[in-house]
Amino acid sequence: KAGVTQTPRYLIKTRGQQVTLSCSPISGHRSVSWYQQTPGQGLQFLFEYFSETQRNKGNFPGRFSGRQFSNSRSEMNVSTLELGDSALYLCASSLAGAGDTGELFFGEGSRLTVL
Amino acid sequence: AQSVTQLGSHVSVSEGALVLLRCNYSSSVPPYLFWYVQYPNQGLQLLLKYTSAATLVKGINGFEAEFKKSETSFHLTKPSAHMSDAAEYFCAVKSGNNNDMRFGAGTRLTVKP
Repeated sequence: KAGVTQTPRYLIKTRGQQVTLSCSPISGHRSVSWYQQTPGQGLQFLFEYFSETQRNKGNFPGRFSGRQFSNSRSEMNVSTLELGDSALYLCASSLAGAGDTGELFFGEGSRLTVL
Repeated sequence: AQSVTQLGSHVSVSEGALVLLRCNYSSSVPPYLFWYVQYPNQGLQLLLKYTSAATLVKGINGFEAEFKKSETSFHLTKPSAHMSDAAEYFCAVKSGNNNDMRFGAGTRLTVKP
Protein backbone atom coordinates (compact mmCIF):
# COMPACT_ATOMS: atom_id res chain seq x y z
CA LYS A 1 0.00 0.00 0.00
CA ALA A 2 1.49 3.32 -1.04
CA GLY A 3 2.12 5.87 1.71
CA VAL A 4 1.30 9.54 1.82
CA THR A 5 2.84 11.31 -1.14
CA GLN A 6 3.71 14.98 -1.13
CA THR A 7 4.84 17.05 -4.09
CA PRO A 8 7.05 18.85 -4.67
CA ARG A 9 9.65 17.79 -2.13
CA TYR A 10 11.66 20.97 -2.39
CA LEU A 11 10.90 24.39 -3.78
CA ILE A 12 12.26 27.90 -3.68
CA LYS A 13 10.11 31.00 -4.01
CA THR A 14 10.58 34.71 -3.53
CA ARG A 15 8.65 37.03 -1.26
CA GLY A 16 5.25 38.00 -2.57
CA GLN A 17 4.82 34.90 -4.70
CA GLN A 18 2.31 32.19 -4.01
CA VAL A 19 2.79 28.44 -3.76
CA THR A 20 0.62 25.34 -4.01
CA LEU A 21 1.57 22.06 -2.35
CA SER A 22 -0.06 18.74 -3.08
CA CYS A 23 -0.77 15.71 -0.93
CA SER A 24 -2.09 12.29 -1.92
CA PRO A 25 -3.29 10.34 1.13
CA ILE A 26 -3.13 6.62 1.69
CA SER A 27 -5.82 4.87 -0.30
CA GLY A 28 -9.04 4.74 1.72
CA HIS A 29 -8.07 7.56 4.06
CA ARG A 30 -10.58 10.38 4.03
CA SER A 31 -8.98 12.85 6.40
CA VAL A 32 -5.98 14.98 5.45
CA SER A 33 -4.21 17.28 7.88
CA TRP A 34 -1.50 19.84 7.21
CA TYR A 35 1.26 20.96 9.55
CA GLN A 36 4.00 23.55 9.34
CA GLN A 37 7.31 22.60 10.94
CA THR A 38 9.99 25.18 11.72
CA PRO A 39 12.97 25.07 14.09
CA GLY A 40 11.56 27.91 16.17
CA GLN A 41 7.87 26.99 16.35
CA GLY A 42 7.96 23.23 16.01
CA LEU A 43 4.98 21.43 14.50
CA GLN A 44 1.98 23.68 14.12
CA PHE A 45 -1.42 22.54 12.96
CA LEU A 46 -2.69 24.32 9.88
CA PHE A 47 -5.98 22.64 9.01
CA GLU A 48 -7.74 19.33 8.51
CA TYR A 49 -10.01 18.30 5.68
CA PHE A 50 -12.53 15.50 5.67
CA SER A 51 -14.84 14.68 2.79
CA GLU A 52 -13.90 17.88 0.97
CA THR A 53 -14.77 20.06 3.96
CA GLN A 54 -12.43 21.91 6.26
CA ARG A 55 -13.22 20.48 9.66
CA ASN A 56 -10.54 22.01 11.88
CA LYS A 57 -8.32 25.04 11.53
CA GLY A 58 -5.24 26.24 13.38
CA ASN A 59 -4.16 29.80 14.10
CA PHE A 60 -2.72 30.83 10.77
CA PRO A 61 -3.55 33.92 8.71
CA GLY A 62 -5.90 33.78 5.77
CA ARG A 63 -2.92 33.62 3.38
CA PHE A 64 -2.87 29.92 4.19
CA SER A 65 -5.67 27.99 2.59
CA GLY A 66 -6.42 24.50 1.45
CA ARG A 67 -8.90 22.26 -0.23
CA GLN A 68 -9.69 18.62 -0.66
CA PHE A 69 -10.93 16.90 -3.76
CA SER A 70 -13.45 14.10 -4.12
CA ASN A 71 -10.64 11.53 -4.33
CA SER A 72 -9.34 12.81 -0.94
CA ARG A 73 -6.25 14.39 -2.47
CA SER A 74 -5.53 17.75 -0.90
CA GLU A 75 -3.74 20.93 -1.78
CA MET A 76 -2.64 23.81 0.34
CA ASN A 77 -1.87 27.26 -0.92
CA VAL A 78 0.12 30.09 0.59
CA SER A 79 -0.29 33.50 -1.01
CA THR A 80 1.90 36.58 -0.69
CA LEU A 81 4.81 34.59 0.68
CA GLU A 82 6.87 35.98 3.53
CA LEU A 83 10.35 34.98 4.67
CA GLY A 84 8.84 33.44 7.78
CA ASP A 85 6.87 30.98 5.67
CA SER A 86 10.06 29.04 5.01
CA ALA A 87 9.37 25.67 6.57
CA LEU A 88 8.77 21.99 6.10
CA TYR A 89 5.09 21.46 5.31
CA LEU A 90 3.87 18.06 6.35
CA CYS A 91 0.73 16.35 5.22
CA ALA A 92 -0.82 13.49 7.15
CA SER A 93 -3.76 11.25 6.44
CA SER A 94 -5.99 9.12 8.62
CA LEU A 95 -8.96 6.85 8.13
CA ALA A 96 -11.51 9.37 9.37
CA GLY A 97 -13.90 10.35 11.86
CA ALA A 98 -14.30 12.52 14.86
CA GLY A 99 -13.73 10.19 17.78
CA ASP A 100 -11.42 8.01 15.71
CA THR A 101 -8.40 7.04 17.80
CA GLY A 102 -6.37 6.37 14.72
CA GLU A 103 -2.94 7.76 14.23
CA LEU A 104 -1.84 10.10 11.49
CA PHE A 105 0.32 8.79 8.68
CA PHE A 106 2.78 11.39 7.48
CA GLY A 107 4.34 12.14 4.15
CA GLU A 108 7.97 13.18 3.85
CA GLY A 109 7.06 16.83 3.52
CA SER A 110 7.56 19.70 1.14
CA ARG A 111 10.43 21.95 2.09
CA LEU A 112 9.70 25.53 1.11
CA THR A 113 12.39 28.19 1.08
CA VAL A 114 11.33 31.81 0.64
CA LEU A 115 14.04 34.24 -0.49
CA ALA B 1 -8.07 22.66 24.13
CA GLN B 2 -5.59 19.84 24.42
CA SER B 3 -1.82 20.32 24.54
CA VAL B 4 1.38 18.51 25.42
CA THR B 5 4.61 19.65 27.03
CA GLN B 6 7.86 17.83 26.44
CA LEU B 7 10.44 18.40 29.12
CA GLY B 8 13.91 18.78 27.69
CA SER B 9 14.56 19.81 24.12
CA HIS B 10 17.76 17.75 24.04
CA VAL B 11 18.57 14.46 25.73
CA SER B 12 21.91 12.71 25.44
CA VAL B 13 22.54 9.13 26.54
CA SER B 14 25.29 6.58 26.08
CA GLU B 15 24.72 3.54 23.93
CA GLY B 16 23.17 0.83 26.09
CA ALA B 17 21.80 3.29 28.66
CA LEU B 18 18.18 3.87 29.56
CA VAL B 19 16.25 6.33 27.41
CA LEU B 20 13.62 8.45 29.16
CA LEU B 21 11.77 11.18 27.26
CA ARG B 22 9.18 13.12 29.23
CA CYS B 23 5.74 14.23 28.11
CA ASN B 24 2.91 15.79 30.08
CA TYR B 25 -0.49 16.44 28.56
CA SER B 26 -3.44 18.68 29.16
CA SER B 27 -6.87 17.69 27.99
CA SER B 28 -10.38 18.40 29.17
CA VAL B 29 -11.59 15.00 27.95
CA PRO B 30 -9.93 11.58 28.00
CA PRO B 31 -7.07 11.90 25.55
CA TYR B 32 -5.49 9.74 22.92
CA LEU B 33 -1.72 10.02 23.20
CA PHE B 34 0.99 9.27 20.68
CA TRP B 35 4.74 9.22 20.32
CA TYR B 36 6.26 9.84 16.92
CA VAL B 37 9.88 9.75 15.73
CA GLN B 38 11.39 11.88 12.97
CA TYR B 39 14.68 11.15 11.25
CA PRO B 40 16.45 13.92 9.30
CA ASN B 41 14.64 15.02 6.15
CA GLN B 42 11.80 12.60 6.72
CA GLY B 43 8.22 12.73 7.91
CA LEU B 44 7.00 11.46 11.26
CA GLN B 45 6.66 7.77 12.03
CA LEU B 46 4.41 6.41 14.76
CA LEU B 47 6.21 4.68 17.64
CA LEU B 48 3.20 3.89 19.80
CA LYS B 49 -0.21 5.13 20.88
CA TYR B 50 -2.46 5.09 23.95
CA THR B 51 -6.18 4.81 23.34
CA SER B 52 -7.56 4.00 26.82
CA ALA B 53 -6.88 0.28 26.77
CA ALA B 54 -3.75 -0.85 28.65
CA THR B 55 -1.89 1.95 30.43
CA LEU B 56 1.48 0.45 29.51
CA VAL B 57 1.87 0.63 25.76
CA LYS B 58 4.56 -1.16 23.79
CA GLY B 59 5.72 0.20 20.48
CA ILE B 60 8.22 -0.44 17.75
CA ASN B 61 11.99 -0.58 18.16
CA GLY B 62 11.77 -1.58 21.84
CA PHE B 63 10.08 1.62 23.02
CA GLU B 64 7.25 1.73 25.51
CA ALA B 65 5.26 4.40 27.35
CA GLU B 66 3.07 4.44 30.42
CA PHE B 67 -0.08 6.52 30.73
CA LYS B 68 -0.42 7.98 34.23
CA LYS B 69 -3.64 9.88 34.64
CA SER B 70 -2.81 11.12 38.15
CA GLU B 71 0.38 12.70 36.83
CA THR B 72 -1.03 13.61 33.40
CA SER B 73 2.09 12.05 31.94
CA PHE B 74 2.99 9.76 29.06
CA HIS B 75 6.75 9.31 29.27
CA LEU B 76 8.61 7.29 26.63
CA THR B 77 11.26 4.78 27.67
CA LYS B 78 13.64 2.26 26.18
CA PRO B 79 15.82 0.07 28.39
CA SER B 80 18.92 0.17 26.20
CA ALA B 81 19.70 2.90 23.68
CA HIS B 82 21.07 2.09 20.26
CA MET B 83 22.91 4.41 17.93
CA SER B 84 20.05 4.15 15.47
CA ASP B 85 17.68 5.70 18.05
CA ALA B 86 19.23 9.12 17.49
CA ALA B 87 16.39 11.24 16.12
CA GLU B 88 13.76 13.76 17.17
CA TYR B 89 10.83 12.50 19.18
CA PHE B 90 7.42 14.11 19.40
CA CYS B 91 4.64 13.53 21.87
CA ALA B 92 1.13 14.28 20.60
CA VAL B 93 -2.41 14.42 21.95
CA LYS B 94 -5.78 14.11 20.30
CA SER B 95 -9.07 14.43 22.12
CA GLY B 96 -11.89 12.05 21.37
CA ASN B 97 -14.23 14.68 20.01
CA ASN B 98 -11.72 16.44 17.82
CA ASN B 99 -9.61 15.05 15.03
CA ASP B 100 -6.80 17.58 15.14
CA MET B 101 -3.63 16.30 16.74
CA ARG B 102 -1.40 18.67 18.72
CA PHE B 103 2.31 18.06 19.08
CA GLY B 104 4.88 18.92 21.69
CA ALA B 105 7.99 20.89 20.81
CA GLY B 106 10.03 17.74 20.35
CA THR B 107 13.04 16.20 22.07
CA ARG B 108 16.22 15.58 20.15
CA LEU B 109 17.87 12.36 21.32
CA THR B 110 21.60 11.95 20.90
CA VAL B 111 23.23 8.56 21.51
CA LYS B 112 26.92 8.56 22.33
CA PRO B 113 29.11 5.55 21.53
